[in-house]
Order: sequence, then C-alpha cells, then structure tokens
Amino acid sequence: AQSVTQLGSHVSVSEGALVLLRCNYSSSVPPYLFWYVQYPNQGLQLLLKYTSAATLVKGINGFEAEFKKSETSFHLTKPSAHMSDAAEYFCAVGRSQGNLIFGKGTKLSVKP
Amino acid sequence: NAGVTQTPKFQVLKTGQSMTLQCAQDMNHEYMSWYRQDPGMGLRLIHYSVGAGITDQGEVPNGYNVSRSTTEDFPLRLLSAAPSQTSVYFCASSRGGLAGGPSGELFFGEGSRLTVL
Repeated sequence: AQSVTQLGSHVSVSEGALVLLRCNYSSSVPPYLFWYVQYPNQGLQLLLKYTSAATLVKGINGFEAEFKKSETSFHLTKPSAHMSDAAEYFCAVGRSQGNLIFGKGTKLSVKP
Repeated sequence: NAGVTQTPKFQVLKTGQSMTLQCAQDMNHEYMSWYRQDPGMGLRLIHYSVGAGITDQGEVPNGYNVSRSTTEDFPLRLLSAAPSQTSVYFCASSRGGLAGGPSGELFFGEGSRLTVL
C-alpha cells in the first residue's frame, strides 16, 4: 500500500526566506512522486514530479524537490519565498497503473 | 483553452435532495476522476473512469454514482444528499493513467463547493 505524510499543516515564512515543505512516502514499488499547488479558490496544478529520472527535480516558480530513497522523502524547497507563493501544497504518490494518493496538505503563509 | 470544466461552482442542498455535478474535458483524456477535499483531509478519490463505459470505485464511493457515456463527460450524482457530503469536489483528467503516469499529470477543474443543510 502507498501512503504519504506531510509534516506540518501550516508553515509560515518571511518574504525572502527559505521555504521547506516536508513530505515522506511509503511505497512497496518505485513510486512516482508529485507536488501540486492550490491557490485560493482554484483547482490543483502540478508543481513538479519525480518519475525515476534525476533525483533532483526542478519545477515551476523556482521550486525544486529532491528524492531521497534512503529517507523515503521528497521535500519541497525554494531558496527565497515570494508573497505569491502563499498557497496550499500537496504531496502525492502514485504508480503507473494506480491511483494518486494525496497528503493532507501544507498551507504556506508568507509574511512581508 | 477550456481544459476541465466543472458546473456548478456553488450549490446548496437540503438533506435528501439529489443533484448532479457536471464535469467535461476537451483534451481527449482517457482517465477521469472525482475527488472530494475536506479541511485537514487532503483529497480523497470518490470514483474514477479509465475510458468511456468503464467506471470504478475509489476510496470514498458511498452515496455517489457516476457514469461515463462519452470520453468528454464524467458526471457525479449525489443520490440523497447528507450533511457529511458538504465538501469541495474536484474533477480531474489525465492521459497517462490515474496518477498521470510517468510523463503526464492530472488536470483539475476549479472545483464545485457543495453545502448540504
């Protein structure tokens, strides 16, 4: 069975500070891993994905995530937060023929 | 550039009423799915379809029905609404499998916010 755990339902950072959103997964087979972002009153959109190529994945808006098999982690980072990054972020795990399993989400606030 | 279109965006129902949430996509995607989003729960899969005429249950299917008569449309029916079905519902589609596959991604509608009194 697959599962994903996001540590911290709310994260608050100052503008210009490092953003770190944590995600740990459980999977019995090599997983596909995703980060989706949801801006207020909108649907989710793909931020980045890992599908067994490079372990460091770069996404849109300056975000990146590193797949660490030994730690079963796929943490999302951005060196310098911008006010427009305020949103809810979802980590998800899936398989080629399976469903996507979402974490419970982390709401990111950015203080001026 | 329509993508995935959901209607209505907002709906208020009384307990026991029935209704249909509409979902249409214009990307010729085989895979379509319905999720519900509740605070602190993330997104949970209700029903999904891997092609026209084929549907199956997800994680939380009770109280919902689906059908897929065309590639484009995937309506979600609430048979007898209950307060526990108050939620935001998202429809998603993809080409490369339910999880988007190795080269794909899920495309989401903007959501339908349902309140059951």
